Amino acid sequence: GQNIDQPTEMTATEGAIVQINCTYQTSGFNGLFWYQQHAGEAPTFLSYNVLDGLEEKGRFSSFLSRSKGYSYLLLKELQMKDSASYLCAGFSGGYNKLIFGAGTRLAVHP
Amino acid sequence: GAVVSQHPSRVICKSGTSVKIECRSLDFQATTMFWYRQFPKQSLMLMATSNEGSKATYEQGVEKDKFLINHASLTLSTLTVTSAHPEDSSFYICSARDPQGAEGYTFGSGTRLTVV
Repeated sequence: GQNIDQPTEMTATEGAIVQINCTYQTSGFNGLFWYQQHAGEAPTFLSYNVLDGLEEKGRFSSFLSRSKGYSYLLLKELQMKDSASYLCAGFSGGYNKLIFGAGTRLAVHP
Repeated sequence: GAVVSQHPSRVICKSGTSVKIECRSLDFQATTMFWYRQFPKQSLMLMATSNEGSKATYEQGVEKDKFLINHASLTLSTLTVTSAHPEDSSFYICSARDPQGAEGYTFGSGTRLTVV
């Protein structure tokens, strides 16, 4: 079985930095994903971590600690368009099924 | 990058009728596709795994006779919501993974189903 937990909602100020945490318990870890989803749209890929450490991609970075079952997504220089849901996801079982956490709704305000 | 096309984007149907949603991988072959359902302000819930040339694998609690999945080719999977009811109104999204790609799973644009 598996469980993926992340905060339901967060707010932040334009230009600031925000960290969205995700803890997971999965049987057979095989990598952790972060997706961004705007309301009414499909998720878009942000990052995939399979090894411990921080991976930076422009304004977005993702961190993974496999021993702690913990990941975070770091968003820098926040822009209004970053207001969206951020979904943490991991593989489960055969066929590499991707299972999502409940998602964190981020609201960026001026 | 990999592209997954999903149609229709929106559909309104009457209670008791059936609706078919198509999911196509445009520039890669997908032996496996996944169907998700998302209710407002909730996350994506995996419904089933669609397997090319064989039966779909359904998640616990998902009625296989109600949500018919067909994966007849390496680029097309269909989800048919049979005898739809208002509680089936939701956002349905398919996804697939390009085995040659590095960006995880690609999602279709989703289908907003409204049953009236």
